[in-house]
Amino acid sequence: DTAVSQTPKYLVTQMGNDKSIKCEQNLGHDTMYWYKQDSKKFLKIMFSYNNKELIINETVPNRFSPKSPDKAHLNLHINSLELGDSAVYFCASSKDITPYEQYFGPGTRLTVT
Amino acid sequence: DAKTTQPTSMDCAEGRAANLPCNHSTISGNEYVYWYRQIHSQGPQYIIHGLKNNETNEMASLIITEDRKSSTLILPHATLRDTAVYYCIVGGNEKLTFGTGTRLTIIP
Repeated sequence: DTAVSQTPKYLVTQMGNDKSIKCEQNLGHDTMYWYKQDSKKFLKIMFSYNNKELIINETVPNRFSPKSPDKAHLNLHINSLELGDSAVYFCASSKDITPYEQYFGPGTRLTVT
Repeated sequence: DAKTTQPTSMDCAEGRAANLPCNHSTISGNEYVYWYRQIHSQGPQYIIHGLKNNETNEMASLIITEDRKSSTLILPHATLRDTAVYYCIVGGNEKLTFGTGTRLTIIP
């Protein structure tokens, strides 16, 4: 079974649209994260949730809204998509708030045209 | 979080030990050293972490100098599947800050 899964794997959409990426982990972890990896391969944290509570909210446009319905899921909703949002988005989880060992999902490649 | 400096790229012959250095001269006393790797088109993978003592697991060994200003990740018997970008990260009480890493290429 996949530990951290993301859907969809690929997402192609037009500017101005709203889209969501889903993430699920079956590891029983309490903390989940969203990262963005841009075309230059820089990997940056966007958000983290611990037991459904927002812990980290980096300088991310408020068009990005994470939602955690339960501690096994952390979804990312993006409003009014822009060209600069094109990137690979990774979900990750860790046992607790200290990120000693994070497990990453396979990534969602978002292309905005 | 403290800044890290890694070589941009390295090569290693298959079957040999790969030694990846990392400088972190501004590390503070409670900051850990983490190593992750990212194989092409995959999500990053945790390798190992340590605070002061050397650490070893089934994937690698982490050697941290006594003054904690640098460390070395050792892959004892590199295989072609170890070709990846290796990230040395310092800090991380709540988050990991990834740098540019070292692109390790294992040569057959």
